Amino acid sequence: NAGVTQTPKFQVLKTGQSMTLQCAQDMNHNSMYWYRQDPGMGLRLIYYSASEGTTDKGEVPNGYNVSRLNKREFSLRLESAAPSQTSVYFCASSEFGSGIQQGYGYTFGSGTRLTVV
Amino acid sequence: SQKIEQNSEALNIQEGKTATLTCNYTNYSPAYLQWYRQDPGRGPVFLLLIRENEKEKRKERLKVTFDTTLKQSLFHITASQPADSATYLCALLDTGFQKLVFGTGTRLLVSP
Repeated sequence: NAGVTQTPKFQVLKTGQSMTLQCAQDMNHNSMYWYRQDPGMGLRLIYYSASEGTTDKGEVPNGYNVSRLNKREFSLRLESAAPSQTSVYFCASSEFGSGIQQGYGYTFGSGTRLTVV
Repeated sequence: SQKIEQNSEALNIQEGKTATLTCNYTNYSPAYLQWYRQDPGRGPVFLLLIRENEKEKRKERLKVTFDTTLKQSLFHITASQPADSATYLCALLDTGFQKLVFGTGTRLLVSP
């Protein structure tokens, strides 16, 4: 099935531990994004990659790093997890430009629920 | 500061009625405005996109309006059904930035 796949779906970390959230899309989209969603805060952009080989900071990048491994994959790394990073993380992809002009939106994965204790 | 506002209170309506959700924004000049649906435990799903030069867009039972003077979009679901119960997110895309900014969403509850 075409779409965005995120792994893992659930994760519990201890403060100070590190982990990488994986994301892959099979729609040949150029752009990929990482958002976090917290109650009352909505979806906030962490990092994005407009195209393969480029990454840029979003609204809340502190404490995170990303890697655009290839056109399909975009990973998010927490180097030293903190309780404030407890959240639901969503990866998304889109075809900026022609895709948006043709009326297409973003495609989201099903999310990773991360708890840092 | 830039802000996208959606009613944080849930909207409760009866089946068959029209649901109307509001999205207001300040300090943005969006070229495109999008609406998404999100079910509990799932990622957002794209519904509709409307461009700044379009006043209205329809898709089946859905209708979106976009008033750049009022800085407001309205999202309508006609003949609502219990299956329409979900959280609906408004999002803005400014052509100056290759990223989407979301409102906090409004929860819609449709009762049989």
